[in-house]
Amino acid sequence: GAGVSQSPSNKVTEKGKDVELRCDPISGHTALYWYRQSLGQGLEFLIYFQGNSAPDKSGLPSDRFSAERTGGSVSTLTIQRTQQEDSAVYLCASSPGRQNYEQYFGPGTRLTVT
Amino acid sequence: GQSLEQPSEVTAVEGAIVQINCTYQTSGFYGLSWYQQHDGGAPTFLSYNALDGLEETGRFSSFLSRSDSYGYLLLQELQMKDSASYFCAVGLSGGYQKVTFGTGTKLQVIP
Repeated sequence: GAGVSQSPSNKVTEKGKDVELRCDPISGHTALYWYRQSLGQGLEFLIYFQGNSAPDKSGLPSDRFSAERTGGSVSTLTIQRTQQEDSAVYLCASSPGRQNYEQYFGPGTRLTVT
Repeated sequence: GQSLEQPSEVTAVEGAIVQINCTYQTSGFYGLSWYQQHDGGAPTFLSYNALDGLEETGRFSSFLSRSDSYGYLLLQELQMKDSASYFCAVGLSGGYQKVTFGTGTKLQVIP
């Protein structure tokens, strides 16, 4: 079946602009994560959605970052007033349930802020 | 908070065996996972340990010692395609609601 998809694959934006990154998880997966990965670095947890529960936003680096998940499926990560330090690959992952040790990752969105 | 330590780089010869270590400090450990990521690609799940001991999946095995807060990934019969970054990740008690990844080990397999 279809895997996790993300769009756009690449996004170049000017400093100060807002961007929206989209994630389509695997159908039926109730858990959805967003991570950020800078070049040559590990994955930085941003936010976690589980079903209809309130999301865990504890990894969001500032109030310029927000995310929502509509209908328990598609998720959008929004970065307002982008800064150069926001440049990174943003990865989305989904998992079928609460035992989320096996996550399925999308290809990521490479964000470049100029 | 949580922290994980892995070697940044490892080089090994094709056909050999390599072990990638991961030590962690967390409050409320749940389990340890391993992921592989090729350059430019997305991470893919390799293995998971919740209990002490060795889990084997083909050429890859993963080990966990909860008392030592330590685990490792063992890759046998190395192939050139195994050149990639390998990340350990911990989930905290209650599940994997918030996963912390290590900084990754870049494995280079040489002929």
